[in-house]
Amino acid sequence: NAGVTQTPKFQVLKTGQSMTLQCAQDMNHEYMSWYRQDPGMGLRLIHYSVGAGITDQGEVPNGYNVSRSTTEDFPLRLLSAAPSQTSVYFCASSSAGRETQYFGPGTRLLVL
Amino acid sequence: AQSVTQPDIHITVSEGASLELRCNYSYGATPYLFWYVQSPGQGLQLLLKYFSGDTLVQGIKGFEAEFKRSQSSFTQRKPSVHWSDAAEYFCATHPGNQGGKLIFGQGTELSVKP
Repeated sequence: NAGVTQTPKFQVLKTGQSMTLQCAQDMNHEYMSWYRQDPGMGLRLIHYSVGAGITDQGEVPNGYNVSRSTTEDFPLRLLSAAPSQTSVYFCASSSAGRETQYFGPGTRLLVL
Repeated sequence: AQSVTQPDIHITVSEGASLELRCNYSYGATPYLFWYVQSPGQGLQLLLKYFSGDTLVQGIKGFEAEFKRSQSSFTQRKPSVHWSDAAEYFCATHPGNQGGKLIFGQGTELSVKP
């Protein structure tokens, strides 16, 4: 099993550009989540999904879109990148809401 | 709102010394609690978790944690620290009725002196 995979590992964007961060898991997990990590703030939840076709907002959803068409994939879209979105992004999955979340290796995003 | 606080932003200990990492949470019911570790440039790895039952839980890499409801705390300990334990440690909690959501503390960075 590959677990949770994320691509790309590193990306540089210009302000106003759009991009999609990819996340996939091969553990047949129902729950998937996106977090951003900023210095001194821990990880904050952006969006999460409790199953294919079902998504909801987390603590910091503004500027991000998600969709979940399959159990395996949960892409995160930045519609118009801003410097405030410079961060490290982690995707996570779990088999049920109360179970352990498994994290991907992260995507480091720099917005100029 | 539910929250997690890690009072220590940075801790330095000598190799071989004992380690204590503090975590406090705010939640009315019994929380689901986790400790994760993040090595530089890496993702997060679960060290241990508490859902219910015995208030002393054992994790990987020689870590253990004690849940104290009266103090709203989930303190992680290790009797003897190794240089490879240098990393950032995150305490997190999960609202019992809300799937797929973790609330994290700010993190504690551990440095290990030779």
